[in-house]
Amino acid sequence: KQEVTQIPAALSVPEGENLVLNCSFTDSAIYNLQWFRQDPGKGLTSLLLIQSSQREQTSGRLNASLDKSSGRSTLYIAASQPGDSATYLCAVPLNTGFQKLVFGTGTRLLVSP
Amino acid sequence: EPEVTQTPSHQVTQMGQEVILRCVPISNHLYFYWYRQILGQKVEFLVSFYNNEISEKSEIFDDQFSVERPDGSNFTLKIRSTKLEDSAMYFCASWGGTELSYEQYFGPGTRLTVT
Repeated sequence: KQEVTQIPAALSVPEGENLVLNCSFTDSAIYNLQWFRQDPGKGLTSLLLIQSSQREQTSGRLNASLDKSSGRSTLYIAASQPGDSATYLCAVPLNTGFQKLVFGTGTRLLVSP
Repeated sequence: EPEVTQTPSHQVTQMGQEVILRCVPISNHLYFYWYRQILGQKVEFLVSFYNNEISEKSEIFDDQFSVERPDGSNFTLKIRSTKLEDSAMYFCASWGGTELSYEQYFGPGTRLTVT
C-alpha cells in the first residue's frame, strides 16, 4: 500500500530564505510525482510534475527533484516571499492504470516579511 | 489555458438531504475523479470514472454516493442522504489519459457543509 509522508508538517521562515520541503513514499514504482500548492480554504494548484524518468523539474523559483530508488522527492523554493505562504502537497499515482493520486500530509509554510 | 470548473463553490445542506456537486472537466480529457478533504486532513480519493463507468472507488464511496456524466461536458457527484461527516471540500479532477502528460488538473473545489 502506497503511503506518502511530508516533513516538516509546518515551517516558518523569514522572507528571502531558501527552503526545502520533503516528500517520501513507500512504493518506489511510481510513474510520476506531482507537487501542489493549496491556499487556506482553496483548491489545489499544480506546481510541478516530475516523470519517473526525470530527476529534476524547474519552474521559476521552484525546483523539484525525484529519487525513486530512495522513495524521496524534495521541493526547493529559492528566495522565499510572503506570497509563498501556503500548504504544499505532494502526490503520487497508484499503478492501477487509472492514476488515482495518493496525497501526502502537506507542509504548511509561513514566510514572514 | 483550459481549466476544471466546479459549482457551487459552497453548499450548505441539512443532514439527510440530497446534494449534487457539479464539475466541468477539461473538454478532451478521458479520466475523471472526485477527491475530498475533510478540514485538517489529507486529500483522499473517492472515485474514478472512465468510458462512462466507474473504474475504481474507495471504501468511502458507499451506496450513498453516485457519479454521472449526463452529457458530454458535466460530471456530477451525488450524495443521496448527507451525514454530518460528509462535510468536506470536494475536488473534481480530470486527466488526459495519454503519456504526453500525466498531470491531473483539479477544480477549485466545492465546500460542503452539512448541518
